[in-house]
Amino acid sequence: DVQMTQSPSSLSASAGDRVTITCRASQSISTYLNWYQQKPGKAPKLLIYAASSLQSGVPSRFSGSGSGTDFTLTISSLQPEDFATYYCLQSYSAPWAFGPGTKVDIK
Amino acid sequence: EVQLVESGGGLVQPGGSLRLSCAASGFTFSSYWLTWVRQAPGKGLEWLANIRQDGSEIYYVDSVKGRFTISRDNAKNSLYLQMDTLRAEDTAVYFCGRLQFRSTWVLDYWGQGTLVTVSP
Repeated sequence: DVQMTQSPSSLSASAGDRVTITCRASQSISTYLNWYQQKPGKAPKLLIYAASSLQSGVPSRFSGSGSGTDFTLTISSLQPEDFATYYCLQSYSAPWAFGPGTKVDIK
Repeated sequence: EVQLVESGGGLVQPGGSLRLSCAASGFTFSSYWLTWVRQAPGKGLEWLANIRQDGSEIYYVDSVKGRFTISRDNAKNSLYLQMDTLRAEDTAVYFCGRLQFRSTWVLDYWGQGTLVTVSP
């Protein structure tokens, strides 16, 4: 089974900061990697699919990169509405697996 | 507009059963793979199961294999999760989702979730 790790588990940042979150797979998953944003009490929202493709309607300050085992989600200039928890999901092989999440809060 | 609405959650005793439903609208239900994901209180997301358009392919995570059954009724635009032999650790919000293949598999739409509490 493919295991997913994320780092950091949490971070504090200010509006306007550049934020980078990393997701690592225990084996190669090509680009079968999606990123989600979740706010308290809400369902997750798709941000990035296929490692680097921006979901329609998602602001361009969000970007993704990587392939194989190492992936990155970058928020170029953090906005107040971006404070949330971010999860990666590998959809390469069953059982699919989410990363443990990265909580982004206000410094 | 794509909509997924879960129902059927509630309080159940350990060892009991519950059947969750997910009503879909706004897309051609029979053309999509579907999924269930859960989230224990204060915890991360856990993928549970996927089901093919015609139900001929199903995949589960080990933690629910043999206890949970995913199924669908394309005539009713509905997805189901039959949960048997429930344990305290199954307490979670359960989300249904739609899957789409866009060069890779993408879980692109989610329901709002339904809470299942397993407690004496």
